[in-house]
Amino acid sequence: NAGVTQTPKFRVLKTGQSMTLLCAQDMNHEYMYWYRQDPGMGLRLIHYSVGEGTTAKGEVPDGYNVSRLKKQNFLLGLESAAPSQTSVYFCASRRDSQETQYFGPGTRLLVL
Amino acid sequence: AQKITQTQPGMFVQEKEAVTLDCTYDTSDPSYGLFWYKQPSSGEMIFLIYQGSYDQQNATEGRYSLNFQKARKSANLVISASQLGDSAMYFCAMREGWTGGYNKLIFGAGTRLAVHP
Repeated sequence: NAGVTQTPKFRVLKTGQSMTLLCAQDMNHEYMYWYRQDPGMGLRLIHYSVGEGTTAKGEVPDGYNVSRLKKQNFLLGLESAAPSQTSVYFCASRRDSQETQYFGPGTRLLVL
Repeated sequence: AQKITQTQPGMFVQEKEAVTLDCTYDTSDPSYGLFWYKQPSSGEMIFLIYQGSYDQQNATEGRYSLNFQKARKSANLVISASQLGDSAMYFCAMREGWTGGYNKLIFGAGTRLAVHP
C-alpha cells in the first residue's frame, strides 16, 4: 500500500516549457487535491477533484490545468512555465466519509 | 473570508517538556474543522490531529492534544513530553463548510519547532 505518490520528485524547467505532474493514490479515495507551498507560507489550493472526470478551481488556479481521467490519478499541467511557479507541489487525497487529507511526498519544481 | 493565523514563526522547547503552538482562526461558518499537520525536514506533510466545530471534547492523539476554545476562535496544539523527532514545521489548517463537501483546507504560515536535548 503506497498511499499517495508523486512523480517526479524534482524537476528543473526553462521559462515557457510545459510539464505534467502525476499524482497517484491506491486508497480508492474520491477526493484529490493539488496544493503549492512557497517559502514562508502555508499550502495553497490550486485545483481539486471530487471524483473521476470532475475538476474544480481552488485558490490559485491561474497557469495550471488538471485532469482526472482515472479515479486513482490526478494530473497537474503547466502549459507555459513561469518563474513564479517555482514551488513545492503537494498532492493529497481523501475518502468521502472522512475528514483527513493524506499527502504525497511533494514535487520540487524550479523554473528558470 | 476565512483565515488562519499562526503568530509564532519559531519556538523551541527542551526535550521531555510540553509545548503549545498557537493557532487562531476566523470564519463565519458554524460548521468547520481544524487540523494540525507536521512537516519534518524531509518535506512530507503528516496529519496529526483533527477537531470538528461541534465536537464537545478536545481532540487527543497520543502525545498531541488540541486545546479548542471556540469563543476565542483558537485551536492550539499541545505536544506533551517533547522528543527530538518532534523538531519540524507545524501547520494549522481549517476546513470550512459541512463535512462531506470538497473540504478545501486553508493553511496558516506555520511554526517551526526546535526540540533541544
